[in-house]
Amino acid sequence: KNEVEQSPQNLTAQEGEFITINCSYSVGISALHWLQQHPGGGIVSLFMLSSGKKKHGRLIATINIQEKHSSLHITASHPRDSAVYICAAGVGNNDMRFGAGTRLTVKP
Amino acid sequence: DVKVTQSSRYLVKRTGEKVFLECVQDMDHENMFWYRQDPGLGLRLIYFSYDVKMKEKGDIPEGYSVSREKKERFSLILESASTNQTSMYLCASSTPLTGELFFGEGSRLTVL
Repeated sequence: KNEVEQSPQNLTAQEGEFITINCSYSVGISALHWLQQHPGGGIVSLFMLSSGKKKHGRLIATINIQEKHSSLHITASHPRDSAVYICAAGVGNNDMRFGAGTRLTVKP
Repeated sequence: DVKVTQSSRYLVKRTGEKVFLECVQDMDHENMFWYRQDPGLGLRLIYFSYDVKMKEKGDIPEGYSVSREKKERFSLILESASTNQTSMYLCASSTPLTGELFFGEGSRLTVL
């Protein structure tokens, strides 16, 4: 069993829909990261959180430390949100355990 | 704008060739990482370095070596490329102060 599990693997939505991507982890973490990867490869860090909730524009990330679970929400989704979203558990300063990613497609 | 730059976006090499992938960061970060990314497997750590001339093996170091002669530069070396090393290679850097990772654009390597 992977240490970081994401669901769903693939997600297709219509423009404007509210989207949720889930991440469960089994390791002790220093922080939980949400990353975005667009076609072509580059990865951008969206959030790094160790408790509670963070918001940036239409994106919201939450974490429940007791349940070892995090969610990434996208409100009013747009085709430009189409990307692979990766959850990663930071273990100490140098170690990161990655989920397999969720491929999101938002149709106009 | 902070930046991690990888030397080549796309490479095609033949089996047995030596391959160099270079990564440069301009953030004065102590930590640098090389990952490979394959469909369905996510990112896997090959090597990381927490200081100049220091290196640590990651989860899949076999067939790879690294070099960090300067703080800003971290090179990944495939001594004798094989077809199973066809993959996307991603470099990243971070500082222990925050742990936030900054990634390069990736280098897609095809070994024929």
